[in-house]
Amino acid sequence: DTAVSQTPKYLVTQMENDKSIKCEQNLGHDTMYWYKQDSKKFLKIMFSYNNKELIINETVPNRFSPKSPDKAHLNLHINSLELGDSAVYFCASSRQGFETQYFGPGTRLLVL
Amino acid sequence: AQTVTQSQPEMSVQEAETVTLSCTYDTSESDYYLFWYKQPPSRQMILVIRQEAYKQQNATENRFSVNFQKAAKSFSLKISDSQLGDAAMYFCAYQPYNNNDMRFGAGTRLTVKP
Repeated sequence: DTAVSQTPKYLVTQMENDKSIKCEQNLGHDTMYWYKQDSKKFLKIMFSYNNKELIINETVPNRFSPKSPDKAHLNLHINSLELGDSAVYFCASSRQGFETQYFGPGTRLLVL
Repeated sequence: AQTVTQSQPEMSVQEAETVTLSCTYDTSESDYYLFWYKQPPSRQMILVIRQEAYKQQNATENRFSVNFQKAAKSFSLKISDSQLGDAAMYFCAYQPYNNNDMRFGAGTRLTVKP
């Protein structure tokens, strides 16, 4: 059983398109996250949701919007994609906000 | 602001030998968590080991152990009896207690030579 899953694994799209990445966890965790890993492998947190409430919103452009339909899902919607959005996006979850985070397999986004 | 520094962009070790990856961090907090994550070519982020700052005893997980020096704000990872499957990027991470804002270092790429 996959603990944290993401779809799609790969996403190639044109600039200015709108796309979504889905994340699901079957661990019963309360908190979910989105991270961005750039081409230099630097990993930075974007968002965190606890019981469907946004906790962290780092300095991320408002073209990025997390959506959590329920505790087990946290989707990432990106409007008007730009070249600089190309990266690997990781979803993660933890039982409580300060406990160990478990990561999904990542989604490689390439904006052309 | 909390920052995590990994001063070794790349490291190499011979199979079956031991290697130590360095990590230092900056914080004014007294309670926090430290982690090492492994990212193999598959890109999956895998938790290797976790240390609570209030625990003096160094965490160990099979061949993986840490040297946690709280006063020095140092958290190194030792991999014993290195295996080819240990080849990956290793990320050190810091997380304040009761706060989910985890910060990662820039990573160390470990190569294991047969």
